[in-house]
Amino acid sequence: EDQVTQSPEALRLQEGESSSLNCSYTVSGLRGLFWYRQDPGKGPEFLFTLYSAGEEKEKERLKATLTKKESFLHITAPKPEDSATYLCAVQASGTYKYIFGTGTRLKVLA
Amino acid sequence: NAGVMQNPRHLVRRRGQEARLRCSPMKGHSHVYWYRQLPEEGLKFMVYLQKENIIDESGMPKERFSAEFPKEGPSILRIQQVVRGDSAAYFCASSQVRGSNQPQHFGDGTRLSIL
Repeated sequence: EDQVTQSPEALRLQEGESSSLNCSYTVSGLRGLFWYRQDPGKGPEFLFTLYSAGEEKEKERLKATLTKKESFLHITAPKPEDSATYLCAVQASGTYKYIFGTGTRLKVLA
Repeated sequence: NAGVMQNPRHLVRRRGQEARLRCSPMKGHSHVYWYRQLPEEGLKFMVYLQKENIIDESGMPKERFSAEFPKEGPSILRIQQVVRGDSAAYFCASSQVRGSNQPQHFGDGTRLSIL
């Protein structure tokens, strides 16, 4: 069964304290892995798509990487405005639906 | 800002009533997906539609739930005879074409509460 597990469930960081969020997945053929950010009361906001092991994408303080079993979202020198829930989703080959993890709730303290 | 528009943002229904949730995709997008998010759970896929066609409804309960995406107008997710367990946030996403090179973009959801 296709599955996505995110860890940790929650993370508190001081402003400027870099860290990484993990997304482990099992899927019958990976079509794509997606990272989203979700703020309270809002819908998921698209961040990155990764397609194959070894691929990396960067945007401001965020960098996403992909291996055959997991993806990491690295946050460098975070700011309080980076506080949000970060969601990971996979899309299996031959399908169009996304399978989401339960997310990591990130809180960055000033 | 021509993002995915969902309405209403909040909907309250009593048990046994009907709920209708609307979704207008991003401009130029012809593929619509509905997801449900229960408290403390991840988003779960419900149904994938193109104009006038249901492509994949494998995640949608067989009874009381239906979805449509007519040639004109928004996509509608309809829940008949609602029960307490239907309380959740329902999100709609849209994409331009099939495939992962065009990610799904989400609306801000409809929060359904059943009294």
